[in-house]
Amino acid sequence: SQQGEEDPQALSIQEGENATMNCSYKTSINNLQWYRQNSGRGLVHLILIRSNEREKHSGRLRVTLDTSKKSSSLLITASRAADTASYFCATDQYNNNDMRFGAGTRLTVKP
Amino acid sequence: GAGVSQSPRYKVAKRGQDVALRCDPISGHVSLFWYQQALGQGPEFLTYFQNEAQLDKSGLPSDRFFAERPEGSVSTLKIQRTQQEDSAVYLCASSPGQLASTNEKLFFGSGTQLSVL
Repeated sequence: SQQGEEDPQALSIQEGENATMNCSYKTSINNLQWYRQNSGRGLVHLILIRSNEREKHSGRLRVTLDTSKKSSSLLITASRAADTASYFCATDQYNNNDMRFGAGTRLTVKP
Repeated sequence: GAGVSQSPRYKVAKRGQDVALRCDPISGHVSLFWYQQALGQGPEFLTYFQNEAQLDKSGLPSDRFFAERPEGSVSTLKIQRTQQEDSAVYLCASSPGQLASTNEKLFFGSGTQLSVL
């Protein structure tokens, strides 16, 4: 079964706008990761945030983590058409070695 | 190679046929995962290897699914007597260490798209 759930399922914005995607999960975690998938391709790692961190930045990406609410958000600033893809959150499970993914948010950035 | 390699890229099988999907992880990576991804959905966990040991196979949907990694490197996912509901993209991922202790990311292959007719 999947661990995380992303929201919204689909998001359509104009180039230059910011995109925010949310993820909720169920169990205690060591870390939460965000991945991107272009159509017909494998997933590519974007950013990892540890359970003792609250916010992390990487370029135009900003991730927050609220372990009390078991939720995370991914913000993409100044979006570009090339950001069009599906975005997934993934969590390990505390003291477990596997990693589970949510259903994803399909982001479309219109030029 | 530089990344995770999966073969074949596409596989068409008649219902009832057996198929074997191959994954070459990044050299030296300890952890290897198989996921099943239906169209428009997220990857569903199938099984996890740490070196040659299959530590978790709780995601395998039925006893028709079998995975192995006999020498701790290349892995094969075998599906016996394929059914139409097995049609999906099968993704393989690897990671340098043991995830629980190292907080590492996964490196994915491009997947094998299986179509069962």
